Amino acid sequence: QKEVEQDPGPLSVPEGAIVSLNCTYSNSAFQYFMWYRQYSRKGPELLMYTYSSGNKEDGRFTAQVDKSSKYISLFIRDSQPSDSATYLCAMESGGGADGLTFGKGTHLIIQP
Amino acid sequence: EAQVTQNPRYLITVTGKKLTVTCSQNMNHEYMSWYRQDPGLGLRQIYYSMNVEVTDKGDVPEGYKVSRKEKRNFPLILESPSPNQTSLYFCASSLRGDRLPPTGELFFGEGSRLTVL
Repeated sequence: QKEVEQDPGPLSVPEGAIVSLNCTYSNSAFQYFMWYRQYSRKGPELLMYTYSSGNKEDGRFTAQVDKSSKYISLFIRDSQPSDSATYLCAMESGGGADGLTFGKGTHLIIQP
Repeated sequence: EAQVTQNPRYLITVTGKKLTVTCSQNMNHEYMSWYRQDPGLGLRQIYYSMNVEVTDKGDVPEGYKVSRKEKRNFPLILESPSPNQTSLYFCASSLRGDRLPPTGELFFGEGSRLTVL
């Protein structure tokens, strides 16, 4: 199975809040986990990726993977209005033959 | 500037009228791919190409054709468009490497919004 579940939102939070975005998946073969950000009327762009379980931090963004629960998260600290976008999780297995499976995306709104 | 360029950006056409959406990248990427994005369904892969003259089906290839005669270009062809192909289409190319996931880091074009009447 390739299904990836992601709440579409919209998720609206005040500026400065900590944002938590999540995806769940069912395919235990997934090993690479990515977050793409898509601004309105633009193509997605890679924000972060992690391999297997664990955390990865990049500035205000932290990606977290829990393979035992088949659950991934993206945390945004000190959220800014410029973070308003749709966030897509994506994942793939190690072989790469199946390509990426995307979640449907969560629409995030940061209120000034 | 490194980019993926798609044309046209917007197109309204009628059922059965063949059309081609062009895609060109200037990053010398080997991997290229087409996706469609629909409300409630997310991004779904149509076709992909690992290199020149190598193409393969993605998850939703029906009604589409592609070709990869040159490294930089990967056109999407709709031979006989139907209303269910009304969608937002994205072309992407990928930088691949040892420290990246197998598909690599995808660079997307700005999208082509197609309406089939």
